Amino acid sequence: GESVGLHLPTLSVQEGDNSIINCAYSNSASDYFIWYKQESGKGPQFIIDIRSNMDKRQGQRVTVLLNKTVKHLSLQIAATQPGDSAVYFCAEKAQGGYNKLIFGAGTRLAVHP
Amino acid sequence: ETGVTQSPTHLIKTRGQQVTLRCSSQSGHNTVSWYQQALGQGPQFIFQYYREEENGRGNFPPRFSGLQFPNYSSELNVNALELDDSALYLCASSTPGASTSTDTQYFGPGTRLTVL
Repeated sequence: GESVGLHLPTLSVQEGDNSIINCAYSNSASDYFIWYKQESGKGPQFIIDIRSNMDKRQGQRVTVLLNKTVKHLSLQIAATQPGDSAVYFCAEKAQGGYNKLIFGAGTRLAVHP
Repeated sequence: ETGVTQSPTHLIKTRGQQVTLRCSSQSGHNTVSWYQQALGQGPQFIFQYYREEENGRGNFPPRFSGLQFPNYSSELNVNALELDDSALYLCASSTPGASTSTDTQYFGPGTRLTVL
């Protein structure tokens, strides 16, 4: 079946450290992956995306890595700030068809001063 | 801000009632998707509308229905509400393109529905 598995841990980091949030997906046919950030009481906010023909993509302070061999996705946040505290979701879209996203349960990132 | 708006922000209904939630897509977006997010979980896909037609549906019963209007805004209707329908309902709009294209979905703030 389809699933994007985030085993909902809470990742606690110190302000200024780097954070790594991991995600496993099960559908090898997925060709597009997105990371979203969701703060309390708000909708998911787009962070960064990556297509299956890429291994790495960088944004401002964030990097997404895709390992298709083991169906693993990670989000790296450099110099984590208190404003980065939120729940992070990875989502996948299967190749072809309509633009349906499959989300995992999320990982909570807690940044401590 | 994504430019996607939803109304109302919060809603309380009783079991058996019907509810209509509304979404205005970001300017220029012609595809709207609806998701249900239960507390502590990731969003679950309900359905998607493209050019006023439903072009994809998740594992939700027929009492979940929707509409898309010529201005690309959308409604989600839920009949015969059940306690388990209590959730945050999110809509997301996408950039113009064919329904099979890979395009980023931008989410609104959601409507918090509580069913008593």
